[in-house]
Amino acid sequence: DTAVSQTPKYLVTQMGNDKSIKCEQNLGHDTMYWYKQDSKKFLKIMFSYNNKELIINETVPNRFSPKSPDKAHLNLHINSLELGDSAVYFCASSQGQRDQPQHFGDGTRLSIL
Amino acid sequence: AQSVAQPEDQVNVAEGNPLTVKCTYSVSGNPYLFWYVQYPNRGLQFLLKYITGDNLVKGSYGFEAEFNKSQTSFHLKKPSALVSDSALYFCAVRDLRGGGADGLTFGKGTHLIIQP
Repeated sequence: DTAVSQTPKYLVTQMGNDKSIKCEQNLGHDTMYWYKQDSKKFLKIMFSYNNKELIINETVPNRFSPKSPDKAHLNLHINSLELGDSAVYFCASSQGQRDQPQHFGDGTRLSIL
Repeated sequence: AQSVAQPEDQVNVAEGNPLTVKCTYSVSGNPYLFWYVQYPNRGLQFLLKYITGDNLVKGSYGFEAEFNKSQTSFHLKKPSALVSDSALYFCAVRDLRGGGADGLTFGKGTHLIIQP
């Protein structure tokens, strides 16, 4: 029944590794997002996709690459992980009108050792 | 560029008292404003939004918010606080660059603590 689900919930890994976070939504939405929440709880948009097309790509290092195989999925792959990548990453989805709220997953807590 | 300010890091309220969590915004054009709540180790939950129309909007869990265009504010309110309202609250404005795929610009969040 979970509307927006992310896996894994926790990810602990070493610097330099490559990792992926998966996101799926069962709400029938056409737009999906990735946000980063830092240790001070500040939230910032990273990417948005509409119907599998990249719409917004904020100033995010090239090591971060989103992939949307279909409208219901938006995965985030991160290469060469760095200490500063430690954060909570949230996936969200919405129907593609500005007045529609975004629905968030429970987040993936990424810790870099 | 648009921005959202939440001037209080923390708001303390006694249970049963009214609460207000403040938010001011800066946008060009008409604002699309949202309030979200985050409980520990959870994602953000949508509370309410202002798009157009009545300046007082009602949302989930008894919360409401008052839009004030002249003061560029969108304060969150509740007439009678519950201990279970204790959480982190975010005000957000919809970005206007990506059409329907706009992201949200968030304030830094306000910790609301309701004391029994």
